[in-house]
Amino acid sequence: DSGVTQTPKHLITATGQRVTLRCSPRSGDLSVYWYQQSLDQGLQFLIQYYNGEERAKGNILERFSAQQFPDLHSELNLSSLELGDSALYFCASSVRRERGNTGELFFGEGSRLTVL
Amino acid sequence: QKEVEQDPGPLSVPEGAIVSLNCTYSNSAFQYFMWYRQYSRKGPELLMYTYSSGNKEDGRFTAQVDKSSKYISLFIRDSQPSDSATYLCAMSANTGGFKTIFGAGTRLFVKA
Repeated sequence: DSGVTQTPKHLITATGQRVTLRCSPRSGDLSVYWYQQSLDQGLQFLIQYYNGEERAKGNILERFSAQQFPDLHSELNLSSLELGDSALYFCASSVRRERGNTGELFFGEGSRLTVL
Repeated sequence: QKEVEQDPGPLSVPEGAIVSLNCTYSNSAFQYFMWYRQYSRKGPELLMYTYSSGNKEDGRFTAQVDKSSKYISLFIRDSQPSDSATYLCAMSANTGGFKTIFGAGTRLFVKA
């Protein structure tokens, strides 16, 4: 158990709909990362937050948005869903060492989104 | 060209074999190098972490980083069926917005 909690584990919805994925990082971790994993694209970095602020952005679509709350949990909002958005969405958190972030990520079990 | 290249396999070996997994990368700013193991339908778990060039050993696992060649490797000795998983290399640079980039992952099958 990595200590990172994601809900829901599975989600089935229709095209055009909007969903929210939730993530609670490990106790003490301030950074939260969101990744998308699909069969043909591998793990794609979407966005990173550190202590409530956006720190880095990857290939995140404009239809997607995220935020990190004061209690450090994070939500990823996916709107106007398309068939191609079907994927596993992972949240990860990281420990901050003295030399800064090092990329040691601890992943949750993922949220499997199916868009029909 | 992708920032991180990794052969997706699959790679099939007999139990007890030495497994070699590799990645190449193009961004010379990468400083931190990691290997993650992902079992089917599970989240990736951190297996090995290395800072800059050099070797690191942990039990049956050895990670090597050659920054001059932009090449990293993971060796698994005495492979077991329980090692069957997808292995993802990852690397990151703490420069102006931090993010970790993953390889595509190599599927490994260890046959009993």
